Amino acid sequence: ETGVTQSPTHLIKTRGQQVTLRCSSQSGHNTVSWYQQALGQGPQFIFQYYREEENGRGNFPPRFSGLQFPNYSSELNVNALELDDSALYLCASSLRGGEISPLHFGNGTRLTVT
Amino acid sequence: GDSVTQMEGPVTLSEEAFLTINCTYTATGYPSLFWYVQYPGEGLQLLLKATKADDKGSNKGFEATYRKETTSFHLEKGSVQVSDSAVYFCALRSGYSTLTFGKGTMLLVSP
Repeated sequence: ETGVTQSPTHLIKTRGQQVTLRCSSQSGHNTVSWYQQALGQGPQFIFQYYREEENGRGNFPPRFSGLQFPNYSSELNVNALELDDSALYLCASSLRGGEISPLHFGNGTRLTVT
Repeated sequence: GDSVTQMEGPVTLSEEAFLTINCTYTATGYPSLFWYVQYPGEGLQLLLKATKADDKGSNKGFEATYRKETTSFHLEKGSVQVSDSAVYFCALRSGYSTLTFGKGTMLLVSP
């Protein structure tokens, strides 16, 4: 069983640039969620995708956007980067079906905005 | 809205000591409750879960009981090891919605 994988592991960008983070969900999972974890804080929900559509969003501005592909992999895009966007970005996958399955997380992408 | 409150850390213990990390929650309905662990430089790993009142989740010597009357889900371990040093997150999930996390509690275990 392949777990959740994220790429890249680390990234450095300049304020105002755009970034794309990628996530491959765990085998058999059809739902992907993205979280932002600032240093010393708990993860904050950004949005969730199910069947290639966004079906939940946290308190993040529209410059945070995403995609889910037919193979259930996903991308997180952030435009007009700000210094406060520096954080660990976590992807989590789960199976939306009869029983509610736990979320399984990847190791994250560490984004630094300078 | 949903929220989770954890005791602040760091919690510093000697090896083989007893561990308790307190967690209380606020939620509508009957959420599922989780403990996740994060080792340095890594993502979150599910440690244990409980899906209804009075359920006890357990894994690797850790336990937590879903207490609806006190809206709590405290994490316990009878004898901690140095390898348990990590950050522990309590979280809740209502239905198919996303997870709401606490701020995390760092545990430091010394030999």
